[in-house]
This record gives sequence, structure tokens and C-alpha cells, in this order.
Amino acid sequence: GDSVTQMEGPVTLSEEAFLTINCTYTATGYPSLFWYVQYPGEGLQLLLKATKADDKGSNKGFEATYRKETTSFHLEKGSVQVSDSAVYFCALIFTGNQFYFGTGTSLTVIP
Amino acid sequence: AAGVIQSPRHLIKEKRETATLKCYPIPRHDTVYWYQQGPGQDPQFLISFYEKMQSDKGSIPDRFSAQQFSDYHSELNMSSLELGDSALYFCASSLRIGTPNYGYTFGSGTRLTVV
Repeated sequence: GDSVTQMEGPVTLSEEAFLTINCTYTATGYPSLFWYVQYPGEGLQLLLKATKADDKGSNKGFEATYRKETTSFHLEKGSVQVSDSAVYFCALIFTGNQFYFGTGTSLTVIP
Repeated sequence: AAGVIQSPRHLIKEKRETATLKCYPIPRHDTVYWYQQGPGQDPQFLISFYEKMQSDKGSIPDRFSAQQFSDYHSELNMSSLELGDSALYFCASSLRIGTPNYGYTFGSGTRLTVV
């Protein structure tokens, strides 16, 4: 069945460091891929998305490219800030219109 | 822009009590989804409704039931609550099943604590 495998955390980085959170997926066909961010005590916020192979989603300095050949959608940011501290979920949506989420990666950015 | 509204934001119940969570979708959205996120867990799909009919079912316990009303809002009814039901319950809405990318939006969630 459809599933998402996400890099386990927690991840701790210094401010201005480079961030990569790995995400790979298993799906029959071509799902749409998403990154959601969840700040402490809050709901899920859409960070970026890509709907077909080679699409690049980007928002707030974060980027992820839909790689069909490696079934991946890794999240990157060139220079993280303290305000980026949150939990990041990789997700896909395909048949049935329900999301399949990865297990989440907690990111802490220290000054 | 209007978002998905969930009420209440927080709810505390005792074991074996019942709880009702409400979800008001974005205007003109016809599909509602419910997810459960336990502490430190990823959201798990519970159930969805399209045009007031159940469209898909996930890991929803038999003690839970849900429905979508004529105004498209949805309610999740939870009975015989257990400590393990303590979680953040998300609702999401979208327009028309079959177009998964069309406006799929999550609400802020209801945090249920069972004591």
C-alpha cells in the first residue's frame, strides 16, 4: 500500500546551518507529495507541495523536488532560523483522497 | 479567507464519557476527513465523507461514529472514552472527491484529553 518513510529525528542544528530531511515514498502510480509543518501546540500547516515528477515545491526558503526515479521528496533549506523549530511531516495523497503521513521529524534550531 | 473551523479547541473528559467534535468545512467544500494524532505520533486517517455519505474508512474504532450533515459540517462522536483516546483530532475539507489537490485544508484541531 501507499506509505511514506521519513528521516527520524530529533534533529538539532545551529542557526544558519543547512537542513535536509529525507523522505521517500511507496505508491502505485504517481501521488502528490507534500510537506506539512506543525509548531508546538498548533495544527498542520502546508509548507509546500509538488504534484508531478520533477516539480519543485518551495516556500519560506524551503524546497523539495519530486524525484520519481528515487521516489523521494527531500526537504531542504539553506539557512535555518530559530523560528523554523517545529515538527515536519512528509505526506502523500493518492487514491481515496486520504493523506499518508510520515512519522514526523522534530527540528530544533539553536541560536 | 475562511478556513476549516473545529470546535471545541480543547476538551477534557473522563473515562467512559462521550464526546462530540465538530468540523465546519471551507464554504463549498463537499468532502470532510477526520484524522487522529496521538502524542508524538503522525496523523492517522479515521474516516471521510463526501456529499453526506461515508466515502472512506480508516482506523476508526467501533466506539466512534461520524456523520456529515446537510450543511456539510461533520461531527465525530466518541463514546466509552478511554485514556488512549487522548489525542489531537484534525478535520480537513476539500472540494469533490477525485480531485485530491483541490483546496485540501486542515483545521487547527481539537485537543481531547481523557482523564
